[in-house]
Amino acid sequence: DIQMTQSPSSLSASVGDRVTITCRASQSISSHLNWYQQKPGKAPKVLIYATSSLQRGVPSRFSGSGSGTDFTLTINSLQPEDFATYYCQQTYITPYIFGQGTKLEIK
Amino acid sequence: EVQLVESGGVAVQPGGSLRLSCAASGFPFHDYDMHWVRQAPGKGLEWVSLISRDGFISYYADSVKGRFTISRDNSKSSLYLQMNSLTAEDTAFYYCAKDYYYGSGSLRYFDYWGQGTLVTVSS
Repeated sequence: DIQMTQSPSSLSASVGDRVTITCRASQSISSHLNWYQQKPGKAPKVLIYATSSLQRGVPSRFSGSGSGTDFTLTINSLQPEDFATYYCQQTYITPYIFGQGTKLEIK
Repeated sequence: EVQLVESGGVAVQPGGSLRLSCAASGFPFHDYDMHWVRQAPGKGLEWVSLISRDGFISYYADSVKGRFTISRDNSKSSLYLQMNSLTAEDTAFYYCAKDYYYGSGSLRYFDYWGQGTLVTVSS
């Protein structure tokens, strides 16, 4: 199975900050990497698919990059509603493993 | 509007069985692969299973293989997860998720999720 390692596991930041979350795959997954946001008590919501494509309706302050094994999610100018847990996911091959999550908290 | 509504989550004893359902609406159900994803309380997301749009192909996480069976009824726009030989490690919120598959590069992601149903396995 392909393992997905996210870092950091938690992150404190302030409104207006720029943050970056990284995700590393244990083998190449080409561009088959998605990012989801989950708020407490809610279902996950896709933000970025295929490494860098912004899902319709998601603010442009979210962006993704990378290829092969190393990927990043960047959030520019953090807003209060962005404090949540973020997960990467590979959909290159089953099982479609998620990263362990990054909890973004208000500093 | 796409809607996915899970049901069937209850408390069950170890070794027991349960069938979860997911009622879909707002899109042509028969045109999309579907998934189950679970999340133990306070933990991360775990992909559980995938079923093809025609129901003929399915995949499972190793943790549930041989115990869980995914199925669908396209005439009812419904997805199911039959869970047998349940253990405490199966305690989780179970989400159904719609697949979006596109492009020549076989790219896919989960574009809609239900609200989840809680399965508790405890004696």
